[in-house]
Amino acid sequence: DIQMTQSPSFLSASVGDRVTINCKASQNINRYLNWYQQKLGEAPKLLIYNANSLQTGIPSRFSGSGSGTDFTLTISSLQPEDVATYFCLQHNSWPWTFGGGTKLELK
Amino acid sequence: QVKLQQSGAELVKPGASVKLSCKTSGYTFSTSYMSWFKQIPGQSIEWIGMIYAGDGGTGYNQKFKGKATLTVDTSSSTAYMDLSSLTTEDSAVYFCARGYSLDYWGQGVMVTVSS
Repeated sequence: DIQMTQSPSFLSASVGDRVTINCKASQNINRYLNWYQQKLGEAPKLLIYNANSLQTGIPSRFSGSGSGTDFTLTISSLQPEDVATYFCLQHNSWPWTFGGGTKLELK
Repeated sequence: QVKLQQSGAELVKPGASVKLSCKTSGYTFSTSYMSWFKQIPGQSIEWIGMIYAGDGGTGYNQKFKGKATLTVDTSSSTAYMDLSSLTTEDSAVYFCARGYSLDYWGQGVMVTVSS
């Protein structure tokens, strides 16, 4: 199985800050990497698909980059409503696997 | 609009089985895929498997083979997941999500296994 190592596991930032979350795959997954936002008690919400494509309706402050084994989710200017846990998911090969998550809170 | 509506919370005894449903609307279910996921509260998410509604073809995470069985009813645009021989380790929230893109998710259903 492909292991997805996500960092950091916890992040505290201020409104307006630039925030980056990383995901490293144990082997090449090309660009088959999605990013999800999950708020407490809710289902995950797709933010970025195929490494760098912004899902319809998602604010442009969210962006994704990377290919191969190293990927990054960036929030260009943190907003209060971005408080959530973020997960990466590789869908290059079965079984699909998630990163351990990054819990983002406001400082 | 696309909706995935999951059945309500379940409290089941160890050793029992449970069947979860995911009723869809707003898109063509019969030619789409459905994935299922497990999440223990406070932890990450695991992919259980996927089913193609067109022919019922399935693919499973090896970890869940023998535990989960995925089926569909195209007449009602509903996907199902049977979980068998339940133990306390199966207590979790289970989600369904559309297709390969996983762009729409059900609200999740909490399954609690307890005597």
